[in-house]
Amino acid sequence: DAGVTQSPTHLIKTRGQQVTLRCSPKSGHDTVSWYQQALGQGPQFIFQYYEEEERQRGNFPDRFSGHQFPNYSSELNVNALLLGDSALYLCASSLRGTSTDTQYFGPGTRLTVL
Amino acid sequence: AQSVSQHNHHVILSEAASLELGCNYSYGGTVNLFWYVQYPGQHLQLLLKYFSGDPLVKGIKGFEAEFIKSKFSFNLRKPSVQWSDTAEYFCAVRAWNTGFQKLVFGTGTRLLVSP
Repeated sequence: DAGVTQSPTHLIKTRGQQVTLRCSPKSGHDTVSWYQQALGQGPQFIFQYYEEEERQRGNFPDRFSGHQFPNYSSELNVNALLLGDSALYLCASSLRGTSTDTQYFGPGTRLTVL
Repeated sequence: AQSVSQHNHHVILSEAASLELGCNYSYGGTVNLFWYVQYPGQHLQLLLKYFSGDPLVKGIKGFEAEFIKSKFSFNLRKPSVQWSDTAEYFCAVRAWNTGFQKLVFGTGTRLLVSP
């Protein structure tokens, strides 16, 4: 039973560029949430996708966008990268609507913006 | 807005010492509570969770946590730590409203257990 997978593992970009991060949820899960974890901080919620729609959004600018595909996998896109976007980006998957809905995290993508 | 406070940022213990990590949250409604652990070089893993029922919940590796609603707290405990418990520990809260799914995390506590 595969867990949550993310790609790439590491990424280096320069300011102003655009980046796409990918996530495959745990088998049987239908919901994907994205988090940003800056150095020394706890993860912060970016948004959640369910049924191919953005269901909830955290306090992040429109430069952050996403997509969910029919197979439940998801992408996170960040445009016009800033130095402050350097962080570990975590994907979490869950099965929505269950009384014991729990998010399971992937290993993350380390993004460095130069 | 929801917030989660972990007051101990760094904790250093010797093996066999007892552990208690504090977690307080601000939300007054129904909550789900979680502790996640991040071992060096590994991804976030679920340690334990509370949804309802018995406020004392047991997790993996001998950890337990107690939900005290009147104190808005969900402290993590382990009677005797091991060197392998060296990790960063995150408390997280989810407000259970229809469609309200996001986890709000604390800033984490780095635990170093010396052999």
